[in-house]
Amino acid sequence: DAKTTQPNSMESNEEEPVHLPCNHSTISGTDYIHWYRQLPSQGPEYVIHGLTSNVNNRMASLAIAEDRKSSTLILHRATLRDAAVYYCILSVIQGAQKLVFGQGTRLTINP
Amino acid sequence: AAGVIQSPRHLIKEKRETATLKCYPIPRHDTVYWYQQGPGQDPQFLISFYEKMQSDKGSIPDRFSAQQFSDYHSELNMSSLELGDSALYFCASSFKTEHEKLFFGSGTQLSVL
Repeated sequence: DAKTTQPNSMESNEEEPVHLPCNHSTISGTDYIHWYRQLPSQGPEYVIHGLTSNVNNRMASLAIAEDRKSSTLILHRATLRDAAVYYCILSVIQGAQKLVFGQGTRLTINP
Repeated sequence: AAGVIQSPRHLIKEKRETATLKCYPIPRHDTVYWYQQGPGQDPQFLISFYEKMQSDKGSIPDRFSAQQFSDYHSELNMSSLELGDSALYFCASSFKTEHEKLFFGSGTQLSVL
């Protein structure tokens, strides 16, 4: 499995945008970039995924570098409820697939 | 909307005992995944099932076994429990045309004393 690298922790203020980086220099052409987050005492939660183009949904935006070796999850206006561990995961979407969680980024939101 | 249901929520066992964890996927979901998360650790993939057949296997000990039944619910059976098996066990499910989205349950907290 291709490896991802994320900062151990980040801190931001409430109502400000947050940019969470992820490096994946060994990504293959068929790897999708997935983001999940895990709030305290809860199971992981799907946030967003993409292949080559930038993606937007109601939760966040995903900006993918042109060479696909890095990506950024963007929370446009952080709230206290966004405090969680954010995981960047590479996976091929090919039938049933497992997600391999690496070390994520612990995001702290200051009021 | 219906979510992934796991039972029990908490389970306390003694060393060398057995435990069975149950997972009820979201209706119409055909794939189930099991993950183990130790204290302060990231979730580790154990095993998955697609249409009642094992589809992938991770770092699942030989003492553990799992299966998916005809109604798509799944059970994780753990025998000869060890102290190190104490962890949060998550089940997730997905739908065949949307395998990029896994929906996770709230987990079963297993404590082995």
